[in-house]
Amino acid sequence: EPEVTQTPSHQVTQMGQEVILRCVPISNHLYFYWYRQILGQKVEFLVSFYNNEISEKSEIFDDQFSVERPDGSNFTLKIRSTKLEDSAMYFCASSEWTGRNTIYFGEGSWLTVV
Amino acid sequence: SQQGEEDPQALSIQEGENATMNCSYKTSINNLQWYRQNSGRGLVHLILIRSNEREKHSGRLRVTLDTSKKSSSLLITASRAADTASYFCATSREDTSYDKVIFGPGTSLSVIP
Repeated sequence: EPEVTQTPSHQVTQMGQEVILRCVPISNHLYFYWYRQILGQKVEFLVSFYNNEISEKSEIFDDQFSVERPDGSNFTLKIRSTKLEDSAMYFCASSEWTGRNTIYFGEGSWLTVV
Repeated sequence: SQQGEEDPQALSIQEGENATMNCSYKTSINNLQWYRQNSGRGLVHLILIRSNEREKHSGRLRVTLDTSKKSSSLLITASRAADTASYFCATSREDTSYDKVIFGPGTSLSVIP
């Protein structure tokens, strides 16, 4: 069964460093998403992406964050200057069409900022 | 806020029993999805139910949706220890913001062998 894959599974970074989290969405999907989950808390929406542009973003997704689809298969989340509070599990997801269809999630990238 | 709110927050049952988790939401929705998350792992999609549907089944899972009460329930029958996980409902709004789903805080289910 097709799946969303994410790398790395775990990354430890120094505060202030830039981090890029990578995702390969399901191949025929058109909508892509990033969510995050701080340890013990709920899953929070960050951003959705369609047709090579951001379609919606949350208040969390400030200027420190950016997303890109550099080629036909990868979808990345960049955090420019990490803060301690950015420590969380980051989930990439994709759907065939909008959120009106099933959204499939990857296994997540666990980011620890020290 | 449109987000779902699951209840109970935590549920502990014996293997073989049924587990029922509820989700309430505030705004009109297009669909509602249930996900499972094992500790430290990704979100596994279980069922999507659309606003014009009242009940869906998948194996041992049964989901109901009552749009008049803005609520949904997830029933797991004949539970197994492997069902131990957190369960989340996620809603897609009807009017705007249909590019995303919003998650509730989840129900932590423990199935005791």
